Amino acid sequence: KQEVTQIPAALSVPEGENLVLNCSFTDSAIYNLQWFRQDPGKGLTSLLLIQSSQREQTSGRLNASLDKSSGRSTLYIAASQPGDSATYLCAAILSNFGNEKLTFGTGTRLTIIP
Amino acid sequence: KAGVTQTPRYLIKTRGQQVTLSCSPISGHRSVSWYQQTPGQGLQFLFEYFSETQRNKGNFPGRFSGRQFSNSRSEMNVSTLELGDSALYLCASSSWSPRDTDTQYFGPGTRLTVL
Repeated sequence: KQEVTQIPAALSVPEGENLVLNCSFTDSAIYNLQWFRQDPGKGLTSLLLIQSSQREQTSGRLNASLDKSSGRSTLYIAASQPGDSATYLCAAILSNFGNEKLTFGTGTRLTIIP
Repeated sequence: KAGVTQTPRYLIKTRGQQVTLSCSPISGHRSVSWYQQTPGQGLQFLFEYFSETQRNKGNFPGRFSGRQFSNSRSEMNVSTLELGDSALYLCASSSWSPRDTDTQYFGPGTRLTVL
């Protein structure tokens, strides 16, 4: 079964610190991997999309990497701010014989402590 | 450019009823996908429509169905509602199929409560 896993489920860090969120997936035949944030009761906001041919993507204070061989992706957040508090979800489109779909991890709930 | 819109935002139904949710994608987007989000199961893929055709389907019972219109707007229907159908239903759109490495943009969701 294709799975996407995120550990830890929750993380609290003081404001200003750099932090890394982890995502692992079971299949190296990946089409792309996307990181989202979700605020309570809201929809998902796309942060970064990494295609299978790429190793990393950057947007402002965010940097996402993709290592297909180890089945891992990381989201690096620099100089964290209270506004970064949210649930972060990674989602991968994994090869599935023409039945590919976006498979989500269970998310990491991030709290930035002022 | 307007984002993905979903209506209604909140819905309360009773067991056995049916419900229809609507999603309007970003203008120009042809792919619409639906997801169910619950605290216990997380985000699960329901189905994807592309140019009015269902291209992909998740592991949900036949009570869950959908369709897409020529203007790319999509509806999903759940018949014979069960308590376990209570969830946040999210719709996402992209220019092409999500498999074609395109970013998916999500709507705010419809919160369905089944009593």
